[in-house]
Amino acid sequence: DAGVTQSPTHLIKTRGQQVTLRCSPKSGHDTVSWYQQALGQGPQFIFQYYEEEERQRGNFPDRFSGHQFPNYSSELNVNALLLGDSALYLCASSRGGAGFEAFFGQGTRLTVV
Amino acid sequence: ELKVEQNPLFLSMQEGKNYTIYCNYSTTSDRLYWYRQDPGKSLESLFVLLSNGAVKQEGRLMASLDTKARLSTLHITAAVHDLSATYFCAGSYSGAGSYQLTFGKGTKLSVIP
Repeated sequence: DAGVTQSPTHLIKTRGQQVTLRCSPKSGHDTVSWYQQALGQGPQFIFQYYEEEERQRGNFPDRFSGHQFPNYSSELNVNALLLGDSALYLCASSRGGAGFEAFFGQGTRLTVV
Repeated sequence: ELKVEQNPLFLSMQEGKNYTIYCNYSTTSDRLYWYRQDPGKSLESLFVLLSNGAVKQEGRLMASLDTKARLSTLHITAAVHDLSATYFCAGSYSGAGSYQLTFGKGTKLSVIP
């Protein structure tokens, strides 16, 4: 079992650019959540996708958007990048309903310069 | 809105000593999680606590949950250097369609010889 995989592992973008991060969930999992972890902070919930729809969203601006594909993989898109978007982006997968344990991927380290 | 507070945020302890990390949460949380994070790495699930009075142990780590006090503790027994990491607690509340994990700021543990 490959677990939760994310790509790329690192990337550097310039302010104003757009970025797409990708996540493949653990086998048997159909729910994907995205978290942003700034340096020295705990992860902050961005949104969750289930059945190809955004089921819940945290306090993030519309510049952050996502998508879930029929195979349950997911993308996180961030438009008009700001320096403050520099962070570790973590994808977590789980099964269906609330309360199932989430497993995290290794993260994508995004640096905005 | 669920809020999670951990203390201490930084902990330096000698090998062989015991210590406890505290996690307070503000409203009903029907699950409490503890995660470990090594520098630059993802989150590793340590414990999931589901009910009042739950106690789980793995090696030198023991976690407990008191839902009446809205408190979870992570107790470290006879610390060893390999336990050096950042430890996060996170709560979730599945009521009212909420699916997110809410994390504390983390406790950075350094075990020194």
